[in-house]
Amino acid sequence: GENVEQHPSTLSVQEGDSAVIKCTYSDSASNYFPWYKQELGKRPQLIIDIRSNVGEKKDQRIAVTLNKTAKHFSLHITETQPEDSAVYFCAAPGQNFVFGPGTRLSVLP
Amino acid sequence: DVKVTQSSRYLVKRTGEKVFLECVQDMDHENMFWYRQDPGLGLRLIYFSYDVKMKEKGDIPEGYSVSREKKERFSLILESASTNQTSMYLCASSSNGVAEKLFFGSGTQLSVL
Repeated sequence: GENVEQHPSTLSVQEGDSAVIKCTYSDSASNYFPWYKQELGKRPQLIIDIRSNVGEKKDQRIAVTLNKTAKHFSLHITETQPEDSAVYFCAAPGQNFVFGPGTRLSVLP
Repeated sequence: DVKVTQSSRYLVKRTGEKVFLECVQDMDHENMFWYRQDPGLGLRLIYFSYDVKMKEKGDIPEGYSVSREKKERFSLILESASTNQTSMYLCASSSNGVAEKLFFGSGTQLSVL
């Protein structure tokens, strides 16, 4: 089945710095790559996604880049703020909607 | 806005009890999913359904079953609850196709004593 990994598992950055989280997947048939954010005590919510026909997508301070050849995609957050502190999950949906194990991001004031 | 409602936020059950977790969505979504979330293990798929009366096993179906008699409702059943099933359970739904946004419920924290 699909195997999805994320790195790093935890990440601490100073407010205003950038954060990058990388996701690798195994199923080369995957063509949709979302990132979900889960704040403490809340449900996961989609923050950005990309389809395999594009290499990069941006939405204000967040962006996702895709390298389909290498089977990885990355979440980039610029000018981090305390409200960016959360757990971030990637997914590489195939037949099953499989998530990575998550990355805990802490933005330090 | 899509609403995915899980019947209980917190639930405490005894070992061996039969447990029902209910999930209802109001957007006529074809796809519904049950995940369990444990610290450090992310979101693991238990079962999913792409249509009424249809179900597919996810990565960790052992000890669970599901029921989808109506399009809007997807139930997770623990036939005989065990302590290792203590976890946060999250329901999700999406419109047709795997490449679509998932909408999650707020979760049920189940404790099996």
